[in-house]
Amino acid sequence: KNEVEQSPQNLTAQEGEFITINCSYSVGISALHWLQQHPGGGIVSLFMLSSGKKKHGRLIATINIQEKHSSLHITASHPRDSAVYICAVPGTGAGSYQLTFGKGTKLSVIP
Amino acid sequence: DVKVTQSSRYLVKRTGEKVFLECVQDMDHENMFWYRQDPGLGLRLIYFSYDVKMKEKGDIPEGYSVSREKKERFSLILESASTNQTSMYLCASSLFKRAGTAAHEQFFGPGTRLTVL
Repeated sequence: KNEVEQSPQNLTAQEGEFITINCSYSVGISALHWLQQHPGGGIVSLFMLSSGKKKHGRLIATINIQEKHSSLHITASHPRDSAVYICAVPGTGAGSYQLTFGKGTKLSVIP
Repeated sequence: DVKVTQSSRYLVKRTGEKVFLECVQDMDHENMFWYRQDPGLGLRLIYFSYDVKMKEKGDIPEGYSVSREKKERFSLILESASTNQTSMYLCASSLFKRAGTAAHEQFFGPGTRLTVL
C-alpha cells in the first residue's frame, strides 16, 4: 500500500503570503490528486496531475514522478483559502480505483 | 453537474442504536465508498462497492456494514452505535473504466457529522 506523507500538518499565514504544501508518496503512481475541504464542508477536487505542473487561478500544483513528490502552491493567499488541503494517490493493480489519502494540511490565512 | 448527496448533515444517536447513513449519486458511477474522517487520522476507508450487491472491506470495517441494492445508492449501517463511532462520515463515488484503466477521481458528498452519546 502506498504511504502518503504531507507537510506541514498545520500552517498559519498572513494574507498575501506565498504558501507551499508538500506531499510525498512511497510507490510509483499514474496520477496524484489535490483536494480541498473548507470547514464544515465536503471535499472538492482541485487538481489531478500526472506530470509537470498545473495552474488554476492562484493555485499551482507540481509533481516530480522520479522523486515521488508533489507540491501545492498558493500565491497571494487570502482568508478564503483557509481550508484543509489533502493529497491522494491511487492504488495499483486491482485496487487502482481506491485512493490513499494524506492526513491533510490545515491552512489558516489571517487578514 | 456531478452530485453526491448524503441523507443528513448532522445526526445524534444513543449508544446501542442502529444507525443508517444513506448516500445517493446521480452520475451512474460504478464505484462508491464510505470513509470516516477524524482529526489527525485523515480519511480512512470503511467499505467500498464496485457494483450493485458487491462490497469490499476497507481499512476499518469493524462495527459497520453496507448495502448496495441499487447502483445509485450506498448505505452505511452501524448495527449498534458506540461512542467511538462519533465521527464525520463521507461518501464518495467514481467511475470505473474497464479495458485496463480505472478512473480514480472521486466525487464526495457533503458529509454527515455523527455524534453517539
